[in-house]
Amino acid sequence: AQSVSQHNHHVILSEAASLELGCNYSYGGTVNLFWYVQYPGQHLQLLLKYFSGDPLVKGIKGFEAEFIKSKFSFNLRKPSVQWSDTAEYFCAVNAGAGNNRKLIWGLGTSLAVNP
Amino acid sequence: SQTIHQWPATLVQPVGSPLSLECTVEGTSNPNLYWYRQAAGRGLQLLFYSVGIGQISSEVPQNLSASRPQDRQFILSSKKLLLSDSGFYLCAWSDVDTQYFGPGTRLTVL
Repeated sequence: AQSVSQHNHHVILSEAASLELGCNYSYGGTVNLFWYVQYPGQHLQLLLKYFSGDPLVKGIKGFEAEFIKSKFSFNLRKPSVQWSDTAEYFCAVNAGAGNNRKLIWGLGTSLAVNP
Repeated sequence: SQTIHQWPATLVQPVGSPLSLECTVEGTSNPNLYWYRQAAGRGLQLLFYSVGIGQISSEVPQNLSASRPQDRQFILSSKKLLLSDSGFYLCAWSDVDTQYFGPGTRLTVL
């Protein structure tokens, strides 16, 4: 079965530290890949997405993610985090074809940035 | 631009009572619509999705049902709530490939 694994469940960083959150998926075909973020008290919002083309994708707020097909990975990165990056981060994969557009979700990574 | 609304924002209901959560989307036509439940540490669980009026697919057998009476309206219902129905319910819509989420409803069943 298709699955998405986020290896880091809880991450604590100091401001200005670099961030990398891991995401691996299991599916051998074409995938669309997403990172969503949920700030405290706010709704889920799209951070970035990859469909095709340049495997290095840039999103909002200085985030980027790299799709490495051979490793089935789509890790999220940010060179220097800020306190305002404290949030829950979810990786999701849309695998296969069809009109249902279902996403397979990781369990999320809780990031706390200390000022 | 597209917006998605959910109400109520919070709800406290007794066990055995009925439930109706509503979701509406503005600014788009014939969207795919989704109901999720989000539990701490467990990610997002897809409950129902709909590709058109009256077309509902259920992902997880449970005490809930969904309906889509209009193109941009999606309703989550239950005839009799259970304690285990407590959670955070999210509605989402999608265009071709990307899902966009509403603010959610926090449901507490006592």
